[in-house]
Amino acid sequence: DAKTTQPNSMESNEEEPVHLPCNHSTISGTDYIHWYRQLPSQGPEYVIHGLTSNVNNRMASLAIAEDRKSSTLILHRATLRDAAVYYCILRDSTFGSGGSNYKLTFGKGTLLTVNP
Amino acid sequence: DAGVIQSPRHEVTEMGQEVTLRCKPISGHNSLFWYRQTMMRGLELLIYFNNNVPIDDSGMPEDRFSAKMPNASFSTLKIQPSEPRDSAVYFCASSFELADNEQFFGPGTRLTVL
Repeated sequence: DAKTTQPNSMESNEEEPVHLPCNHSTISGTDYIHWYRQLPSQGPEYVIHGLTSNVNNRMASLAIAEDRKSSTLILHRATLRDAAVYYCILRDSTFGSGGSNYKLTFGKGTLLTVNP
Repeated sequence: DAGVIQSPRHEVTEMGQEVTLRCKPISGHNSLFWYRQTMMRGLELLIYFNNNVPIDDSGMPEDRFSAKMPNASFSTLKIQPSEPRDSAVYFCASSFELADNEQFFGPGTRLTVL
């Protein structure tokens, strides 16, 4: 499985933008980049995903490098409720042997602390 | 929409006892996933189903663990016999299709085996 590398922790101030980096130098052409987050004492929550182009949704933006070896999750204005562990995950989009490629493999993620 | 429902939310049992965790996926979702989270190993995928059929159980740690999905609205994860090292938070997630990019996670079951 292709691996991702994220900083263990990051800190931000409320109302400021946050840029969460992710390196995935061994990404394959069929890997989608997914971001999930896990708030304290809750299950993970989908944030955003992309393949090649930058993506925006109501929660965040995803900036993908041209060579796809890295990406950045952008929270435009951090709030206290954004304090969570953020996971960057690569997911193979090819359908192989009955669907066994559709796994989400979570790493350690980045613990984001938001200061008031 | 109620989201993914898991029960019980907390379970404390003694070593050697059978434990059954339950999950109700979101109505209309065809894929269901069981994960386990511990401090040491993080979040691990145990098994997943598509249209009630197990697709990949390579993450199931050993024969003491078994999972079933008798119908589209119910799944169980059973541990028999349980051991202290099984203590973890167990999450169930569902998605509309296996290829869907968004999985919806339940609140988890915190299992403590004494």
